[in-house]
Amino acid sequence: SQTIHQWPATLVQPVGSPLSLECTVEGTSNPNLYWYRQAAGRGLQLLFYSVGIGQISSEVPQNLSASRPQDRQFILSSKKLLLSDSGFYLCAWSPGGGRLVLREQYFGPGTRLTVT
Amino acid sequence: AQSVAQPEDQVNVAEGNPLTVKCTYSVSGNPYLFWYVQYPNRGLQFLLKYITGDNLVKGSYGFEAEFNKSQTSFHLKKPSALVSDSALYFCAVGPWAGNMLTFGGGTRLMVKP
Repeated sequence: SQTIHQWPATLVQPVGSPLSLECTVEGTSNPNLYWYRQAAGRGLQLLFYSVGIGQISSEVPQNLSASRPQDRQFILSSKKLLLSDSGFYLCAWSPGGGRLVLREQYFGPGTRLTVT
Repeated sequence: AQSVAQPEDQVNVAEGNPLTVKCTYSVSGNPYLFWYVQYPNRGLQFLLKYITGDNLVKGSYGFEAEFNKSQTSFHLKKPSALVSDSALYFCAVGPWAGNMLTFGGGTRLMVKP
């Protein structure tokens, strides 16, 4: 069966510090991968998605970037955090096979980021 | 553009009573519809989906959802609510021919003993 991991679970970082959140998926190949941010325990905002290694699409302009160095690894980064970057970050995967097709997405446990 | 509306921020029901969480959508072409549940400080869990076929879809934990094309709705239902059903519920939509899900703003379900 497939599992998705995210770490760290919680993170408190000062403004201006760098960020690296990691997401890995097990038990599948060529997944589509997604990064979402959830603010105030409500709606989800899609930040990035990827259909393959090195292929990243950004949905909104922001202070963050994403990378996919391996098939089942997705990393969310920032060089300098802003207060507004605080939130709950969720990684998700869906079956892909190298193209972006509509399927149900399966979410990781999330990372709670607080920027102070 | 596709969109999802969950008109109720919160739904309160008594344990043992039936529950309904409402969702309406807008999408070009045939819809691909989903319900997810989120418990505090957790990721979203997939509950059920509608692609085609029967308008009543059954999912996990005794939940079901009814697709109504004429009303562009996909309401989540359960015949008998449990206190453990208390959580945040999200509806999502995408088109068959497209590649992105759009999530609603979420509805908090509170089931009281």
